[in-house]
Amino acid sequence: NAGVTQTPKFRVLKTGQSMTLLCAQDMNHEYMYWYRQDPGMGLRLIHYSVGEGTTAKGEVPDGYNVSRLKKQNFLLGLESAAPSQTSVYFCASRIQGRSDTQYFGPGTRLTVL
Amino acid sequence: DAKTTQPTSMDCAEGRAANLPCNHSTISGNEYVYWYRQIHSQGPQYIIHGLKNNETNEMASLIITEDRKSSTLILPHATLRDTAVYYCIVKAGGTSYGKLTFGQGTILTVHP
Repeated sequence: NAGVTQTPKFRVLKTGQSMTLLCAQDMNHEYMYWYRQDPGMGLRLIHYSVGEGTTAKGEVPDGYNVSRLKKQNFLLGLESAAPSQTSVYFCASRIQGRSDTQYFGPGTRLTVL
Repeated sequence: DAKTTQPTSMDCAEGRAANLPCNHSTISGNEYVYWYRQIHSQGPQYIIHGLKNNETNEMASLIITEDRKSSTLILPHATLRDTAVYYCIVKAGGTSYGKLTFGQGTILTVHP
């Protein structure tokens, strides 16, 4: 049981390049989330999904797109990277229901030059 | 979700109990108290949560005052690996699509 995994762990992009971050969970969780964390700040929600085939915007969705084609995977895409998107990205998942216990991945450190 | 107030930083000697306070004076009756921690460069980790009663698991204990306006997370025998930022989050169960709002938290440093 690997929990929540994220690929890649590190990435450096040039401004304008695109990339996709992959999040995978093997806990059969319905809900999945993408957060970003900037130095000295708390986590901010980018997008989330309440089930396969559904996605919704969080607090800071601009410049990102997501897809949830399979229950276990949640993809975060940057179509045209900007330096302001330099951050650490965390994926999380949780089971459907009243509990807000979320399980986080190890993070992806992205630098946009 | 109710606002929480935590000390910016705390120190603890290895092997001693670490007691981390959280004030949530505006908590509502249906709001839970959650504790997460984030060890440097890692993803946040769930520790424990509770509604009214004190809770204990293999990681920690959570003591909630009778009026529920404050709580304390207790790490009974702190180790160097417990050095992390600890976040107290108050949230009504199953609302706001489960979004967690992480504040600044408490930086706990465990010394040898």
